[in-house]
Amino acid sequence: GAGVSQTPSNKVTEKGKYVELRCDPISGHTALYWYRQSLGQGPEFLIYFQGTGAADDSGLPNDRFFAVRPEGSVSTLKIQRTERGDSAVYLCASSLTVGQSGELFFGEGSRLTVL
Amino acid sequence: GQQLNQSPQSMFIQEGEDVSMNCTSSSIFNTWLWYKQDPGEGPVLLIALYKAGELTSNGRLTAQFGITRKDSFLNISASIPSDVGIYFCAGANAGGTSYGKLTFGQGTILTVHP
Repeated sequence: GAGVSQTPSNKVTEKGKYVELRCDPISGHTALYWYRQSLGQGPEFLIYFQGTGAADDSGLPNDRFFAVRPEGSVSTLKIQRTERGDSAVYLCASSLTVGQSGELFFGEGSRLTVL
Repeated sequence: GQQLNQSPQSMFIQEGEDVSMNCTSSSIFNTWLWYKQDPGEGPVLLIALYKAGELTSNGRLTAQFGITRKDSFLNISASIPSDVGIYFCAGANAGGTSYGKLTFGQGTILTVHP
């Protein structure tokens, strides 16, 4: 597609439920990133994939968060036993290669609200 | 962990005025970037800086990578209403598995009055 596509754009769930957020990167981009943005803050790094493998998952806050990218394209961020503090906009980004640091193309984000 | 301090937090200016914002870090980065975010959108890259002391322009935007590698500034000349948005600085250290791990500042909210 023309840009990074994220679904759903909005998700409201109850505390304790399981949530999946999907990211479809720009075609041909090998690197994919997940960031989380809380209200009034800058994005915070969660995890980065190069191809199918997670190259750096040091930003995942705890073991309730998990992400996969089984075929090296679409990625899913999975959150188990959601908590109110998980409420945020989850941004996905992709880049053509890892050669130039920082030139990430972001999607519009998935806004998660945990009641 | 690393933190970026971005200032000012917000700015209210008249159309046509120049704008300056800056970003400082407690530690060194080898890449500095400036992004703009509009409401309901993801951040969009404005300028990327890869060398200490580098001064780069993109239209009305000019950014510099500080020689200490711990700071950067962004200038916008002759502001227009569509410059409204939130501007984020971000630092990165290329190498190994760190390419996509950006550390963002907290943002500068820019309002431009026509």
